[in-house]
Amino acid sequence: EPEVTQTPSHQVTQMGQEVILRCVPISNHLYFYWYRQILGQKVEFLVSFYNNEISEKSEIFDDQFSVERPDGSNFTLKIRSTKLEDSAMYFCASSGVRGKAEAFFGQGTRLTVV
Amino acid sequence: KQEVTQIPAALSVPEGENLVLNCSFTDSAIYNLQWFRQDPGKGLTSLLLIQSSQREQTSGRLNASLDKSSGRSTLYIAASQPGDSATYLCAVRNTGNQFYFGTGTSLTVIP
Repeated sequence: EPEVTQTPSHQVTQMGQEVILRCVPISNHLYFYWYRQILGQKVEFLVSFYNNEISEKSEIFDDQFSVERPDGSNFTLKIRSTKLEDSAMYFCASSGVRGKAEAFFGQGTRLTVV
Repeated sequence: KQEVTQIPAALSVPEGENLVLNCSFTDSAIYNLQWFRQDPGKGLTSLLLIQSSQREQTSGRLNASLDKSSGRSTLYIAASQPGDSATYLCAVRNTGNQFYFGTGTSLTVIP
């Protein structure tokens, strides 16, 4: 069964460092998303991406964040200068058609900023 | 802004029991609603997607219902098993792309 794959599963980084989280969405999907979940809190939307551009982003997704689809298969989230409060589980998701299709989530990358 | 609430926050039942998880949302102009399962420290597994035009969806022992006008959805789990122990998340999509998630119901099924 097709699945969304995320790497790494766990990343530890020092405050101020740049991190790149990687995702391989399901191959025929068109819409890609990043969400995050701070420990004990709700899953929160960060950004959606379609047709090689951001289609929607939340207040959380400030200038420290960027997304890219560098080739036909990968989708990345970059955090330029990590803060302690960026520590969270980051989930990548994809869906086939906006608003109608089921969204599939990856297993997540646990980011720990020290 | 859409607010999603799930009740109860935690539920513990003996194996074999039927149970209902509740989800409510404040803005009834939704596009669809999706139920997920989350195991500790793991990702989100999609269980059921229910479109705004639908009243219910079924998959195996799971049945999700939707009452859009009252802003409610329920997830019914029949004949619960210890393997059903997990956190169940309800997520609502409005006209935009993003899901609004509830805080989840942590389910424990006791053998």
